[in-house]
Amino acid sequence: QKEVEQNSGPLSVPEGAIASLNCTYSDRVSQSFFWYRQYSGKSPELIMSIYSNGDKEDGRFTAQLNKASQYVSLLIRDSQPSDSATYLCVRAAGNKLTFGGGTRVLVKP
Amino acid sequence: DADVTQTPRNRITKTGKRIMLECSQTKGHDRMYWYRQDPGLGLRLIYYSFDVKDINKGEISDGYSVSRQAQAKFSLSLESAIPNQTALYFCATSVSGTTTNEQFFGPGTRLTVL
Repeated sequence: QKEVEQNSGPLSVPEGAIASLNCTYSDRVSQSFFWYRQYSGKSPELIMSIYSNGDKEDGRFTAQLNKASQYVSLLIRDSQPSDSATYLCVRAAGNKLTFGGGTRVLVKP
Repeated sequence: DADVTQTPRNRITKTGKRIMLECSQTKGHDRMYWYRQDPGLGLRLIYYSFDVKDINKGEISDGYSVSRQAQAKFSLSLESAIPNQTALYFCATSVSGTTTNEQFFGPGTRLTVL
């Protein structure tokens, strides 16, 4: 089992709809999680971080963490074509980051 | 603007050649990292350095070496390149003493080994 698993997609979402991305992890001692967005051919950029159970909202993005079930999710509300990218789920344990394979999101006008 | 830069941005080379990828940063961060990205596999850590005298292997260090010439510079070398080292390589930086552990990435180097 991979340490951080994501569905590779593509996740096709109509413009204005909610995109829901899921991520599961295998290590119960994981402390922090990040969501990075990566446009094709570009470098990853941090969009959300979450450290405790529950929801965290930032603009159109909501991250959810459930440590008991070992999953973390990202919701993108009012999806825009500019949200079309690959979203990387990242687990932080100490100083080490472990990246999931990414979920490709396509927002169709 | 404080930034992370990588050179070259693209490189095509032949099997057996020695290649060096360079990373520089003006962020003043003490920690630097080298990753490679392959389709569907996410980013995998090759080497990381927490300061000039600290070098650590990541999960896929075989076939690679690094040099931390200064706090701002971290180079990755492929002593004898092979085709399965064809990938997108990213340098990243972070600062110690924070709880966020956010890493900032350079623009990447696309390496093709023929």
